[in-house]
Amino acid sequence: TQLLEQSPQFLSIQEGENLTVYCNSSSVFSSLQWYRQEPGEGPVLLVTVVTGGEVKKLKRLTFQFGDARKDSSLHITAAQTGDTGLYLCAGATYSGGGADGLTFGKGTHLIIQP
Amino acid sequence: EPEVTQTPSHQVTQMGQEVILRCVPISNHLYFYWYRQILGQKVEFLVSFYNNEISEKSEIFDDQFSVERPDGSNFTLKIRSTKLEDSAMYFCASSGTPKNIQYFGAGTRLSVL
Repeated sequence: TQLLEQSPQFLSIQEGENLTVYCNSSSVFSSLQWYRQEPGEGPVLLVTVVTGGEVKKLKRLTFQFGDARKDSSLHITAAQTGDTGLYLCAGATYSGGGADGLTFGKGTHLIIQP
Repeated sequence: EPEVTQTPSHQVTQMGQEVILRCVPISNHLYFYWYRQILGQKVEFLVSFYNNEISEKSEIFDDQFSVERPDGSNFTLKIRSTKLEDSAMYFCASSGTPKNIQYFGAGTRLSVL
């Protein structure tokens, strides 16, 4: 059974600070997705990382995939109150030509205080 | 922007009743998925579907569950005899190429009384 551990589970910081959240596993994933989920809604895709060591930037958000494709991080620079939300990582492994389900972490609840 | 649409947004049912949750995936996508999220817990994979058959299913997806693509646009999840522990948010997702990028609907909240 593949597991994705996210840390921290909860994080509350002041606006303007930087933060990093982590997503770790003992399993290798073919790709890793980061989603953001608002209460009562579905996960919204932020980014997909595929190559070991890959770094992707989305405005103030920087996503990194570990060299061994077992872990990933999300770094937010100069956090804003609008960044408040639940951040989920989800890993995919490819079994062949069919459709492969994602393995989700429990998420990091991020609160940015004004 | 294309999106995955799920209906109803909230379904209330009595234990033992059958429910059908409906999804309209993004129109040119070929891969379809159902996930569930019990309140306060993580999103869990149920089943994936491609080329008119199930590709993969989890341990949760037992004989009480079934999926169907009855026409060219809808993708349904049926629970034959609901149990209290089936109460959860059910999310439909779809993907095209590359298939690892899955887009989620807003979910159906299923409440089993």
